[in-house]
Amino acid sequence: AAGVIQSPRHLIKEKRETATLKCYPIPRHDTVYWYQQGPGQDPQFLISFYEKMQSDKGSIPDRFSAQQFSDYHSELNMSSLELGDSALYFCASSLQANYGYTFGSGTRLTVV
Amino acid sequence: AQKVTQAQTEISVVEKEDVTLDCVYETRDTTYYLFWYKQPPSGELVFLIRRNSFDEQNEISGRYSWNFQKSTSSFNFTITASQVVDSAVYFCAFGGTNAGKSTFGDGTTLTVKP
Repeated sequence: AAGVIQSPRHLIKEKRETATLKCYPIPRHDTVYWYQQGPGQDPQFLISFYEKMQSDKGSIPDRFSAQQFSDYHSELNMSSLELGDSALYFCASSLQANYGYTFGSGTRLTVV
Repeated sequence: AQKVTQAQTEISVVEKEDVTLDCVYETRDTTYYLFWYKQPPSGELVFLIRRNSFDEQNEISGRYSWNFQKSTSSFNFTITASQVVDSAVYFCAFGGTNAGKSTFGDGTTLTVKP
């Protein structure tokens, strides 16, 4: 069965650079969630989208933005990267908010 | 605000031992969801179980079992006859009306030694 696809799997950026993470949800899933997991930390909710509109917002820095496109894939744009942004970024998708959702394998971002 | 507490930071057992991972949550919501995830060293988050607040029936899946008790706000996870491959970080998570916006516990690192 198709799963949530995240790209790239690994990304290395320098401080002050920008990065774009992509998420392709399970087909027919209309809701996408982004999480950030720092080293040794639990995943923290960043932002979610339902039907291409932002549905909820968590602890997402102002330097980050995200959107969901017409094909339901989502992109997380990160600017002015800081060392502290080094983390595993997960995307999850679901069919409406209260149904089961599935995580992608994550993108490991390293800022040097 | 919701809160999930996994009091056990690290647990170490020997293969074939049973082990229970504790999870306690706090909420004022009447409808909510509880989850367990496994995060092996490779890093991906593996979904194990989802339980809604109206379903207190315990569940068993192979060597895994879950005990949900609303009276004590607990959702504990037991692995029977543990195996080395069970070594991972296990997260308990709480989801409110928007289940996807989950609050995770700090995780319990389980090490199963041969």
